[in-house]
Parts: sequence; structure tokens; C-alpha cells
Amino acid sequence: AQKVTQAQTEISVVEKEDVTLDCVYETRDTTYYLFWYKQPPSGELVFLIRRNSFDEQNEISGRYSWNFQKSTSSFNFTITASQVVDSAVYFCALTLYNQGGKLIFGQGTELSVKP
Amino acid sequence: KAGVTQTPRYLIKTRGQQVTLSCSPISGHRSVSWYQQTPGQGLQFLFEYFSETQRNKGNFPGRFSGRQFSNSRSEMNVSTLELGDSALYLCASSQISPETQYFGPGTRLLVL
Repeated sequence: AQKVTQAQTEISVVEKEDVTLDCVYETRDTTYYLFWYKQPPSGELVFLIRRNSFDEQNEISGRYSWNFQKSTSSFNFTITASQVVDSAVYFCALTLYNQGGKLIFGQGTELSVKP
Repeated sequence: KAGVTQTPRYLIKTRGQQVTLSCSPISGHRSVSWYQQTPGQGLQFLFEYFSETQRNKGNFPGRFSGRQFSNSRSEMNVSTLELGDSALYLCASSQISPETQYFGPGTRLLVL
């Protein structure tokens, strides 16, 4: 069975601090996809990034960066110089190649950025 | 392109009633998935439709059903509502699976 674990339930930081959100996944499949979504108070899930299991290249996009390590089954997400607008719940999700329409979500990490 | 739209946005029903929620995917997207979000259970997959066929199904009772029309619009129905069905119901669309799913704003259902 597949599982996604986000051990951090809540994180509180002060604006301009860097923050890393942890995600650990479990699957026996070799082809899968990992995602990060952001859910602001309005409720809509906003797509941030997707990674394929065969692409371990890490990426930096503006203030966001991602660290995908298959050896430890982790897909961590870092916000550099956090801003108040980053306050939201962040979800890590997993889908298998042959179950592409089914996302398995972690429990989410609520990030609060204080001014 | 317009995003995923869901109607209605808010709904209040009483136990025993049934409800139908609607989802219009992004133009050109053929896959539609539905999720239920509750504080206790988090985000859970309900089902996925592709080309009018249910392709994947989550672990929900038969009271939860859905369908997809030829224009890719989808509806989900919950019959005999229970208090525990109170949740945010999210719809997501993608061009095909397993491409990235884009979510709508959700329908907040309150069962009294």
C-alpha cells in the first residue's frame, strides 16, 4: 500500500526565515509521481510542483526549492525568506503511474508566517 | 484558460437527503477526480472518471456515486446523507492521467 507522511503538523516562523516542510512516502512501485500543493484559507488546492520517480534533479524556483531523494523516500520543500502570504496548509501527494487519477495525500503541514 | 469550476460552492442539507455536486474541468481536460476533505480524515480520493468511464475508485460506500458526461463535465451524488458527510468536496481535472491535477474551489457541504 502507498502512504505519505508529513510529520510536521504545524510550523510557525517569523517573516524572512527559511522553512523546510518534510515529506516521506512509501510505495513498492518504481514509477510514481510526487506533488506539492498549497491550500490557502480559501480552500482551493494550488499546484506547486511535480516530480517523476525517475527524475531526481532538484529544482529552485524563486523562493521555492525541492529536495527529492529516492534513497530515503523523501520529497522535502523549502521556502526561502518566507512571507506572510506563504501562510497556508501544504500537502505532499503521491500517485502511481497506473493509478494516475488517484492522489494519496499526506495529512498536511500548516505553515504560519508571522510579520 | 478558465480553471476548474464547481457548483454550488456551499450547501446545507439534512440527514437522509441526497445531494448532487457539479464540476466543470479545464477546457481540454478529460480526466476528473473527486476528493473529500474533512478535519479528521484529511484528503481522501473518491473516484476518477475518464472519457465517461470510472477508472479508479476509493474506499467509500455505495452512497457515493458519480458520472461524467461527453463534454467531460462531472457530477457526484451522495444519497441518504449522514452527519459525517459534512466536508469540503474537491474536484480536480487533468488532460490525462497521471498528469498534474488542477483543483477547483470546492463545495462545502454541511449536513444537519
